[in-house]
Amino acid sequence: AQTVTQSQPEMSVQEAETVTLSCTYDTSESDYYLFWYKQPPSRQMILVIRQEAYKQQNATENRFSVNFQKAAKSFSLKISDSQLGDAAMYFCAYRSAYNNNDMRFGAGTRLTVKP
Amino acid sequence: NAGVTQTPKFRILKIGQSMTLQCTQDMNHNYMYWYRQDPGMGLKLIYYSVGAGITDKGEVPNGYNVSRSTTEDFPLRLELAAPSQTSVYFCASSQPERGGLGTQYFGPGTRLLVL
Repeated sequence: AQTVTQSQPEMSVQEAETVTLSCTYDTSESDYYLFWYKQPPSRQMILVIRQEAYKQQNATENRFSVNFQKAAKSFSLKISDSQLGDAAMYFCAYRSAYNNNDMRFGAGTRLTVKP
Repeated sequence: NAGVTQTPKFRILKIGQSMTLQCTQDMNHNYMYWYRQDPGMGLKLIYYSVGAGITDKGEVPNGYNVSRSTTEDFPLRLELAAPSQTSVYFCASSQPERGGLGTQYFGPGTRLLVL
């Protein structure tokens, strides 16, 4: 079964600085999708960014970008120019292209942004 | 669009009681999901549905039941509440996209405490 590992339970960053959150996954499949979700104190899960495994180009959404290393099974999230509103739990998630209904989540990284 | 809505936001149950967690989406998505999130953990899939009248088990279905009589609604039923079911429950929906991404959109969650 696929597993997702986030090795950093907590991270902190100074406002306006850059932070990188790590995620690794284990799979024997060749086609899949990867996601980063943000969960603020309101608890709602908000999609931050997504990546298709067949695409070599790293996804970017404004201040958020990923470093996708397929061979290493690594999918890190970089947040540039961190803002106070970025403080939240961040979850990395994996979804097989062969089973659209099975999404696997990591345990999450709590990001604190210091003013 | 309200997106995915869940009720109630919070509930305390006694052991052995039953309740239904409500989930409604107004995006006309075919796919709907129920997850649970235990403290310090990622989400785990309980049940999912690919359309009205069709449901299937996820990773942790024991102790729960679902039904899908309409596209919009996907209620989750707990028949005999147990302390192990203390968790935060998230409903999500998605629609298959070209390429299969089908990003999931989450509701705000229901916090359930079983005493």
